[in-house]
Amino acid sequence: QKEVEQDPGPLSVPEGAIVSLNCTYSNSAFQYFMWYRQYSRKGPELLMYTYSSGNKEDGRFTAQVDKSSKYISLFIRDSQPSDSATYLCAMSEGSSNTGKLIFGQGTTLQVKP
Amino acid sequence: EAGVTQFPSHSVIEKGQTVTLRCDPISGHDNLYWYRRVMGKEIKFLLHFVKESKQDESGMPNNRFLAERTGGTYSTLKVQPAELEDSGVYFCASSQTTVYGYTFGSGTRLTVV
Repeated sequence: QKEVEQDPGPLSVPEGAIVSLNCTYSNSAFQYFMWYRQYSRKGPELLMYTYSSGNKEDGRFTAQVDKSSKYISLFIRDSQPSDSATYLCAMSEGSSNTGKLIFGQGTTLQVKP
Repeated sequence: EAGVTQFPSHSVIEKGQTVTLRCDPISGHDNLYWYRRVMGKEIKFLLHFVKESKQDESGMPNNRFLAERTGGTYSTLKVQPAELEDSGVYFCASSQTTVYGYTFGSGTRLTVV
């Protein structure tokens, strides 16, 4: 069983839709939760990070972490064609000894004009 | 601020040959990481340098892979001899902390034929 599960999609939505992306995980030691966006032929770019449980909002993006359910979400409001990319969840234990991130497989999102 | 630079961007080599990938991190970032994405799979951790020291190399697949970080600046990842299953995209990232906020390079796409 993978430590982090993420539906690879693809997910196609019309412009302006609310997008919900999700990951589940099995390691209860994870403390830091991140969402990365990756455009084709580029490296992952950090969108948001959250420590422990709770919500975090940044513009059109909202990240939620539910540690009791081992479930994290990213919501994109008023989605734009420029949001079309692969979205990767990533997690870490936050140990000072290693910065190892565990990634989900990534969800490919297409926002149609 | 210059980003993380990786080269070559693409490399096609024959099975049994040697390939060396290079990564130039963001200046001042002590932490440098190598990750790999094999087709159809998630991005996986290979190793973590703090300055010139290997902090965590638990993700290195086997002894055909050798990573070095000269003087705590740029890093190289050598694969010798290359096998077909080594094909994938190799990402380098750097950061000031070990928890989040990594900046990834655009990756080196390695194809072993």
